Amino acid sequence: SQTIHQWPATLVQPVGSPLSLECTVEGTSNPNLYWYRQAAGRGLQLLFYSVGIGQISSEVPQNLSASRPQDRQFILSSKKLLLSDSSFYLCAWSPRAAGVQYFGPGTRLTVT
Amino acid sequence: GDSVTQMEGPVTLSEEAFLTINCTYTATGYPSLFWYVQYPGEGLQLLLKATKADDKGSNKGFEATYRKETTSFHLEKGSVQVSDSAVYFCALSDRTGGFKTIFGAGTRLFVKA
Repeated sequence: SQTIHQWPATLVQPVGSPLSLECTVEGTSNPNLYWYRQAAGRGLQLLFYSVGIGQISSEVPQNLSASRPQDRQFILSSKKLLLSDSSFYLCAWSPRAAGVQYFGPGTRLTVT
Repeated sequence: GDSVTQMEGPVTLSEEAFLTINCTYTATGYPSLFWYVQYPGEGLQLLLKATKADDKGSNKGFEATYRKETTSFHLEKGSVQVSDSAVYFCALSDRTGGFKTIFGAGTRLFVKA
């Protein structure tokens, strides 16, 4: 069966520090991969999605970036965090050409 | 472009009450429709889905019917439990929209004992 992992579960970082959140999927190949952000009590904001290694589509221009160095690995990064980056970050995967998405447990990021 | 509109929350119900959360959509193609549930501090989980008109998705006592004529996919449950307290998201995925899923804003449900 397929499993999606995200880490860390929680993170507290100072303003201006770098960020790296990692997401990996097991038990499938060639998945579509997604990064979302969810502010407290709010809906989902799609940040990036990827249909293959090295292929990244950005939905929202901001100080975040994403990379997919391996088929089942998706990384969300920032060179300098802002206070406004505090949020709940969710990674998800979906099978090719299928609409259902499977979510990881999320990372709670607090920028101080 | 494609969009999903769901009723605003929070919705507060007593245990064993009937639940309806309304969801309507706009899509240019023939989308698949989904309901996801998010428990506090967790990621979203697929609750049910329907892939074509008149399909009924069901899971854990929840049901939703894909109504193409009214472009709706309302979520219902006959008797809610305290453990159903969560945020519910309606969503659509359309091949003509690429690989993205469009989510509604979410509806928070509180169930009181």
